[in-house]
Amino acid sequence: DQQVKQNSPSLSVQEGRISILNCDYTNSMFDYFLWYKKYPAEGPTFLISISSIKDKNEDGRFTVFLNKSAKHLSLHIVPSQPGDSAVYFCAATKTSYDKVIFGPGTSLSVIP
Amino acid sequence: ETGVTQSPTHLIKTRGQQVTLRCSSQSGHNTVSWYQQALGQGPQFIFQYYREEENGRGNFPPRFSGLQFPNYSSELNVNALELDDSALYLCASSLLSGLTNEKLFFGSGTQLSVL
Repeated sequence: DQQVKQNSPSLSVQEGRISILNCDYTNSMFDYFLWYKKYPAEGPTFLISISSIKDKNEDGRFTVFLNKSAKHLSLHIVPSQPGDSAVYFCAATKTSYDKVIFGPGTSLSVIP
Repeated sequence: ETGVTQSPTHLIKTRGQQVTLRCSSQSGHNTVSWYQQALGQGPQFIFQYYREEENGRGNFPPRFSGLQFPNYSSELNVNALELDDSALYLCASSLLSGLTNEKLFFGSGTQLSVL
């Protein structure tokens, strides 16, 4: 039972354009959401997060949007750069002493 | 400030053997989580340790066990290895304080191959 879903295994975007990565979750108890980025041969690194009390969080080129009623969140990268090419994992947790659940990831390729 | 380090980076074992993977947490962190990442999948939660006690476990059999030491370093032990145990094993440390345990800092992982 996959509680965090990323239905697009891969995404290809031109440099300078917007990248939109989507994520859906099934567990309504989740109230904290995170995005991680992973390069080959490295561990995932934290990118940006959002609490369920917000619907948007911005950090430079990265913005995460949360739609609680739809149990959907998205990561926007504007403008996309070739260095953004990586696998992006959506993750969710409850703000307690609880585990972080990851989605299967979306591989983003930014074409120069 | 040192990051999360894992050893070894690569390991080859045969079915039925036992393996121990090691992790040193980032300085100042008190919690360690272990994840298994199979090819093409996201990290799957194995278990978490806080103050040397198991503090949550995913859907993994008892032959997956762990330890956290007073210096917050950790081990993952897997007994009776099976072919499906072949995966990247990721250790992540974090600071659990108050009601939040948010940002995980990952090591580069140990790639385990079971033949």
